[in-house]
Amino acid sequence: QKEVEQNSGPLSVPEGAIASLNCTYSDRVSQSFFWYRQYSGKSPELIMSIYSNGDKEDGRFTAQLNKASQYVSLLIRDSQPSDSATYLCAVLSSGTASKLTFGTGTRLQVTL
Amino acid sequence: DTGVSQNPRHKITKRGQNVTFRCDPISEHNRLYWYRQTLGQGPEFLTYFQNEAQLEKSRLLSDRFSAERPKGSFSTLEIQRTEQGDSAMYLCASSPGQGYYGYTFGSGTRLTVV
Repeated sequence: QKEVEQNSGPLSVPEGAIASLNCTYSDRVSQSFFWYRQYSGKSPELIMSIYSNGDKEDGRFTAQLNKASQYVSLLIRDSQPSDSATYLCAVLSSGTASKLTFGTGTRLQVTL
Repeated sequence: DTGVSQNPRHKITKRGQNVTFRCDPISEHNRLYWYRQTLGQGPEFLTYFQNEAQLEKSRLLSDRFSAERPKGSFSTLEIQRTEQGDSAMYLCASSPGQGYYGYTFGSGTRLTVV
């Protein structure tokens, strides 16, 4: 089992729709979770972080965390063509030797 | 200091040659990380430093790879005797503390081994 799993996509949504991106993780004691956006040929850019169960909203983005199910999701409302990118889920491992482990990413395509 | 800086942006080298990449982290960040990313994959952890101490190296990291962070400032990643399989984007990131607030990535160095 991979430590962080994502559907590679592509996920295609029409402009203005809600895009839902999902991620599961294996380390039960992980405490910090992140979503990065990566445009083709560019480096990852942090867009959301979440630490507690429930929802966290930032503009058009909502991150959702369910630690019992080991599940993180990202909702993008009113999707725009500029949101077309790969979205990487990342989990900070526990302990002093902590480091981010990334999923393979989900490619999102927002169509006109 | 506006972010994490990596040099060079692109490197093309012949198989068997040595290459060295440089990363300058955000100045107040004491942790520095190296990741490698190939097409269609997420970033893969290589190694990290807390100040000048290298605290962890990936088990996947060949002994042809070495990294340093003298004086806890910039870091270099050297690949000796490059192979075609080393072709990838090499990403450097930094964070204050243990990365609780996430990492800031540099623009990366794209290595092509021909």
